[in-house]
Amino acid sequence: GAGVSQSPSNKVTEKGKDVELRCDPISGHTALYWYRQSLGQGLEFLIYFQGNSAPDKSGLPSDRFSAERTGGSVSTLTIQRTQQEDSAVYLCASSFGPEDRPYPGANVLTFGAGSRLTVL
Amino acid sequence: AQKITQTQPGMFVQEKEAVTLDCTYDTSDQSYGLFWYKQPSSGEMIFLIYQGSYDEQNATEGRYSLNFQKARKSANLVISASQLGDSAMYFCAMSPISGAGSYQLTFGKGTKLSVIP
Repeated sequence: GAGVSQSPSNKVTEKGKDVELRCDPISGHTALYWYRQSLGQGLEFLIYFQGNSAPDKSGLPSDRFSAERTGGSVSTLTIQRTQQEDSAVYLCASSFGPEDRPYPGANVLTFGAGSRLTVL
Repeated sequence: AQKITQTQPGMFVQEKEAVTLDCTYDTSDQSYGLFWYKQPSSGEMIFLIYQGSYDEQNATEGRYSLNFQKARKSANLVISASQLGDSAMYFCAMSPISGAGSYQLTFGKGTKLSVIP
């Protein structure tokens, strides 16, 4: 697609429920990222997928968080047993892989508009 | 480990004037990239400009320029001829150029810029 697409744009859920957030990256981008942005804060790295390599899950805050990427394209971030502190905007981004960057170090991420999660 | 500091939570600028948004960084990496992103109220992060630590010249992209001072570890964003549409949050970010974590951007907490007509 033309840009990174995320759904839903807004999600309100009750504490303890599971939620799924979806990301459809730019066609041709092999790298996909999830970041979390809490109110008034910068972006916090959650997870990174590159091609068929094992994902870097080092940023996931707890084992309630998981993500998968099917067929090297669409990704789903799942939060189980949601807590109020999970309320945030979840941003997905995609980029070219390391071999395809226009020049060294320029890992330019293209972000989606985010999914705003509110846990009551 | 890397750290980005943006000391200005909010800034005001008169339309058509220039404004500088401050960014300082700390890293043990020898080679790194510095980025600025804009986040309007719609929420989408928009890439503005990139500077490699190996670049001797400051990067420029239209009305945006990056004032890179390597010895001072600063990468300030300069916006010339401000427009009302420039009102947004601005984030400074960095990543190593190679090795582990070269894909991972570290962001500052942002500066909210308001352009006054």
